[in-house]
Amino acid sequence: NAGVTQTPKFQVLKTGQSMTLQCAQDMNHNSMYWYRQDPGMGLRLIYYSASEGTTDKGEVPNGYNVSRLNKREFSLRLESAAPSQTSVYFCASTYAQMNTEAFFGQGTRLTVV
Amino acid sequence: DQQVKQNSPSLSVQEGRISILNCDYTNSMFDYFLWYKKYPAEGPTFLISISSIKDKNEDGRFTVFLNKSAKHLSLHIVPSQPGDSAVYFCALPNAGGTSYGKLTFGQGTILTVHP
Repeated sequence: NAGVTQTPKFQVLKTGQSMTLQCAQDMNHNSMYWYRQDPGMGLRLIYYSASEGTTDKGEVPNGYNVSRLNKREFSLRLESAAPSQTSVYFCASTYAQMNTEAFFGQGTRLTVV
Repeated sequence: DQQVKQNSPSLSVQEGRISILNCDYTNSMFDYFLWYKKYPAEGPTFLISISSIKDKNEDGRFTVFLNKSAKHLSLHIVPSQPGDSAVYFCALPNAGGTSYGKLTFGQGTILTVHP
């Protein structure tokens, strides 16, 4: 059972480049989330999807877009990367909307130069 | 807006002793509290939780205490083991009907357990 899988694990981008972070879960979870973690800070919510076909902004959505492709997959897109988006990105999923026991992927370390 | 604070960036303890990690919050509307554990190069994993109707929840070596009047929760690990060395986050779900399980995390405390 793979759980939550993120690709890629590492990425270096130049300022202005675009990229998409992929996330897939095989636990039949309804809700999926994207967080970022910066040094000395906890994880902060970027976007979330309560169910297939819906997405909503979190605490720090600026500069990002998301797509809930199907129940399994939730992608995060950076249209024009900036150095401030250098971070570690985590995807998570939960079974029910109010279930707070989230399962996290292993993370994607992104550096924007 | 909610705020969650872990004021100790790091904690070092000897194997076999107790580790106590602390977390403070500002919004008294929270009714559920969680602790996550994170190893380097891995995602956070759920460790233990507590509901606001309780003041203590125990799971093996891990116990979480909740003091609602002080808006404070703590995680006790007894006895501490070297494998417990990790970053520990307290996490509080957003209150309200539209939260959908969104979490606000504290800054984390790096626990190092020395053999």
